[in-house]
Formats: sequence, C-alpha cells, structure tokens
Amino acid sequence: IAGITQAPTSQILAAGRRMTLRCTQDMRHNAMYWYRQDLGLGLRLIHYSNTAGTTGKGEVPDGYSVSRANTDDFPLTLASAVPSQTSVYFCASSPGQESYNEQFFGPGTRLTVL
Amino acid sequence: GQNIDQPTEMTATEGAIVQINCTYQTSGFNGLFWYQQHAGEAPTFLSYNVLDGLEEKGRFSSFLSRSKGYSYLLLKELQMKDSASYLCAVSTSNYQLIWGAGTKLIIKP
Repeated sequence: IAGITQAPTSQILAAGRRMTLRCTQDMRHNAMYWYRQDLGLGLRLIHYSNTAGTTGKGEVPDGYSVSRANTDDFPLTLASAVPSQTSVYFCASSPGQESYNEQFFGPGTRLTVL
Repeated sequence: GQNIDQPTEMTATEGAIVQINCTYQTSGFNGLFWYQQHAGEAPTFLSYNVLDGLEEKGRFSSFLSRSKGYSYLLLKELQMKDSASYLCAVSTSNYQLIWGAGTKLIIKP
C-alpha cells in the first residue's frame, strides 16, 4: 500500500441497507478524516479522529458512524442508507491535527443510494 | 455563520496568467490552504498561508490578507494540465477545515 486507499471505488446501494466504507493509510498519520463532496458544495467534514482510539463529529455527522481501533484504519458506516447520502466520499489523513498539516486524500468512493 | 466564497468557473488561455480569488468569514483562523482537484480525482495540496503576504512555489503563488479575509492563487504560464478545480480551505479555531465549493478552471489553447 502506498499512501491512503479506499474501498469500494463505487457502490450502488438500496435505501435502508447498511454499508461500511473502508479507509486505510500506511503513512502512520495520527489524524484521519471523512468528507463528502457534493456538486456545488465544498467538502464537508463528517467525522474525524485525531489519534487512534478517539473520534469526533464534524459538520454533517448524522446518519454516519466511525471507529478508530488502530492508527491505519478508519471505516465509515452508514447504518441505514438514505438517498440524500448519495455522494462522493473522501477519506484523508494528516500527520497531526495541527493547522499547518496538509491533508492527504484517498481516491474516493462514489456512493449511490436508490 | 462560516462562509468561503470563490468564483464557480474561470476560463484562461494556455501560456497566460490567472488569479483565483477566495474570501472567507470564519470562526477563528489558523491558516488557509489551496488544493487542486482534477475531475474524478482526489484533492492534492498546493499551498498553505498563515501569515500575510505572498508565497511563491514555481508557477503557483498564493497570497493572504488576514485583515481583509482574502486570498488568491496565482497560476503563471498556464498549461493544459492546469485544467482542474481549485479549492480554498480555512483552518478554523478547532483546526477543522472549512472548504469553499471550488473554482473550475478551464484552459483553452
């Protein structure tokens, strides 16, 4: 693995189904983030983790949950998908939460909820 | 509320110079980032400004005025590969990033 990976690349999901988006990084970064990107809107933070074992809510956390059992993995779960969760989801990581740290992004997961 | 404004779309000619503006109103300020995002790809880091002034990095420069809540990204000697969206993001008081909607830059030969 080089950098940050996400799976799946894309997914079509029936409303009401449960779905976990996977994110793994091999840079030993402490901080990780989940964003969604919708047309005409900026990236919006869903959840974040400043270090393994801790998580926090971002701007749009409703309907999503995360866990951070170790440094490398940061899965995002949709407990019961709804059509408004149709979006492109990006996972990102940074060395730490400090303001000067650039964030490195995964390739994204394109999710369609029907 | 918090707000970041950028033009939705700009067009420029190959070899020319283009300036992409970003204005912001946020709760706290811990720096401003510019990212580049090609269609269908992930954003990639371009620059970070926390002090007023101009930061130059090759063909790209970024300027910040904290008192005016204003930044711009200057791209010189435009190449076709510069066709992309350019995202402005501000690190706020809790170190979370607030993102603008992005400026789609179209380069014409």
